Amino acid sequence: AQSVTQPDIHITVSEGASLELRCNYSYGATPYLFWYVQSPGQGLQLLLKYFSGDTLVQGIKGFEAEFKRSQSSFNLRKPSVHWSDAAEYFCAVYSNFGNEKLTFGTGTRLTIIP
Amino acid sequence: EADIYQTPRYLVIGTGKKITLECSQTMGHDKMYWYQQDPGMELHLIHYSYGVNSTEKGDLSSESTVSRIRTEHFPLTLESARPSHTSQYLCASRGEGEAFFGQGTRLTVV
Repeated sequence: AQSVTQPDIHITVSEGASLELRCNYSYGATPYLFWYVQSPGQGLQLLLKYFSGDTLVQGIKGFEAEFKRSQSSFNLRKPSVHWSDAAEYFCAVYSNFGNEKLTFGTGTRLTIIP
Repeated sequence: EADIYQTPRYLVIGTGKKITLECSQTMGHDKMYWYQQDPGMELHLIHYSYGVNSTEKGDLSSESTVSRIRTEHFPLTLESARPSHTSQYLCASRGEGEAFFGQGTRLTVV
């Protein structure tokens, strides 16, 4: 069965600093990978996605992520964070073979300090 | 622009009441999902659907039920609400790409 691991429950960074949020997945074939962001009390907004092709994908709000098959990882990065980036971030994987489930990691809460 | 709607946004209801949370999408997506999420916590898949007349249970056991009679509509029903059902419920749909989420329903059972 597919699974997603986000090892960091909570990360605190200073405004203007760089950011990397980790995501590891477990899946036999090439997965479809996503990063979503959730503000308090809201639904989830897609930041970026990877289906195939270039392993470095660009998303909205200046985010990017790199798919590394050898490490089963899909880490999210941003070179310079803004106070408005404070939110919960979820990595997700979808399998298009079999059960059609969309599985999420446990999330990483990002706090920005001035 | 994604069009997926959940109603109500907030619901406070007494124990033992029957409730239905509505989810509708106008994108013609075949696949739809219900997730349960406690504040600041992970999302747990409780139901999903491949299309009309298909429903499957998710990873987290839930006392709720769902139906998929029309492509655009995927309601979730609790026959007898209990305080343990207090949570946020998120609905999503997807075609062949990413999933789109509604704003969620925050349910409180008193």
